[in-house]
Amino acid sequence: AQTVTQSQPEMSVQEAETVTLSCTYDTSESDYYLFWYKQPPSRQMILVIRQEAYKQQNATENRFSVNFQKAAKSFSLKISDSQLGDAAMYFCAYRTISGNTPLVFGKGTRLSVIA
Amino acid sequence: ETGVTQTPRHLVMGMTNKKSLKCEQHLGHNAMYWYKQSAKKPLELMFVYNFKEQTENNSVPSRFSPECPNSSHLFLHLHTLQPEDSALYLCASSQDGKGGGRIVFFGPGTRLTVL
Repeated sequence: AQTVTQSQPEMSVQEAETVTLSCTYDTSESDYYLFWYKQPPSRQMILVIRQEAYKQQNATENRFSVNFQKAAKSFSLKISDSQLGDAAMYFCAYRTISGNTPLVFGKGTRLSVIA
Repeated sequence: ETGVTQTPRHLVMGMTNKKSLKCEQHLGHNAMYWYKQSAKKPLELMFVYNFKEQTENNSVPSRFSPECPNSSHLFLHLHTLQPEDSALYLCASSQDGKGGGRIVFFGPGTRLTVL
């Protein structure tokens, strides 16, 4: 079975600085999707970024980028120029490339942004 | 309405009550999910429906009863709940198959308190 591990329950970052959230996963599949979701306090969970495992190039969405290391099964999220609105729970998630399988989530990392 | 909507947003109920949570997705997706999010536990997948058919039931107690009358609507019927069932219940949907991108979209959740 696939598993996702986020080893940092809480992180903090100064406004305008850069922070990296860690995620590792375990799978025997060769192709799959990886995601980072953001859940602000009392607000809806939204997709931040998605990576397809067969693509070697790291995904980027504005200030958010990933460092995808397939051999190491590592998928970290880098947030550059952190803003107060980035404060949230961040969940790393895995999903197979096809089939009726749901998302597999990590336990989440709570990110605080200090003004 | 766009995306995934859930009603009610907040619900307080006694242990002997019967209530229902409603979810509607306006994205034309073919799969819907119920997740439970507790304060001190990771996201728990409860039920999965693909094309209105239940494909997964993660050992959820029978006091939770899902219903999927069509591909756009999902209900969670609640009866004789326990205080430990108090949590945020998230509905989600995805388009599985070609072109779906394996992205799961979430609703805002129903905050349930069982007294």
